Amino acid sequence: SQTIHQWPATLVQPVGSPLSLECTVEGTSNPNLYWYRQAAGRGLQLLFYSVGIGQISSEVPQNLSASRPQDRQFILSSKKLLLSDSGFYLCAWSVLISGEQFFGPGTRLTVL
Amino acid sequence: AQKITQTQPGMFVQEKEAVTLDCTYDTSDQSYGLFWYKQPSSGEMIFLIYQGSYDEQNATEGRYSLNFQKARKSANLVISASQLGDSAMYFCAMRDEINSGYALNFGKGTSLLVTP
Repeated sequence: SQTIHQWPATLVQPVGSPLSLECTVEGTSNPNLYWYRQAAGRGLQLLFYSVGIGQISSEVPQNLSASRPQDRQFILSSKKLLLSDSGFYLCAWSVLISGEQFFGPGTRLTVL
Repeated sequence: AQKITQTQPGMFVQEKEAVTLDCTYDTSDQSYGLFWYKQPSSGEMIFLIYQGSYDEQNATEGRYSLNFQKARKSANLVISASQLGDSAMYFCAMRDEINSGYALNFGKGTSLLVTP
């Protein structure tokens, strides 16, 4: 069966510090991968998606970036965090036939 | 452009009762998919149910059913026999076609509280 992992689970970082969040998927090959952000009390906002190794599409221009160095690994990064980067970050993979997505446990990021 | 609307910010239901969570959508696509997700306080998003626009039957998954009314562009989630563990945020989402796959557009969610 497929599983999706994210780490760290929680993170507190100062403004201006770098960021690296990691997501890995097991039990599937060549998945579509996604990064979403959820601000407190809000819905999910799609940040990046990837259809294959090295292929990244950005939905929202910002100081974040994403990379996919391996088929089942998706990384979200920033060189300098802003206060507005605080939120709950969710990674997901999808089934192409119908499009439902399966989410990881999320990373709660607080930027101080 | 797609739009997903959930007009109920919060709902209460008594244990063992049924509850309906509203979702309306707007799209110009002929073929589309609708999803419901549950987000408990732990934060993870749990896939509940899927309805394709060409599916003639309403989708059902255990205690969850989707009341799909295509002409009215509504896709309401019905939870039967509510349990205390059903207390959570519920999000309606629509499939959005992107390069070589799909993304999901989410509504703002409805907070459901099940009371004893």
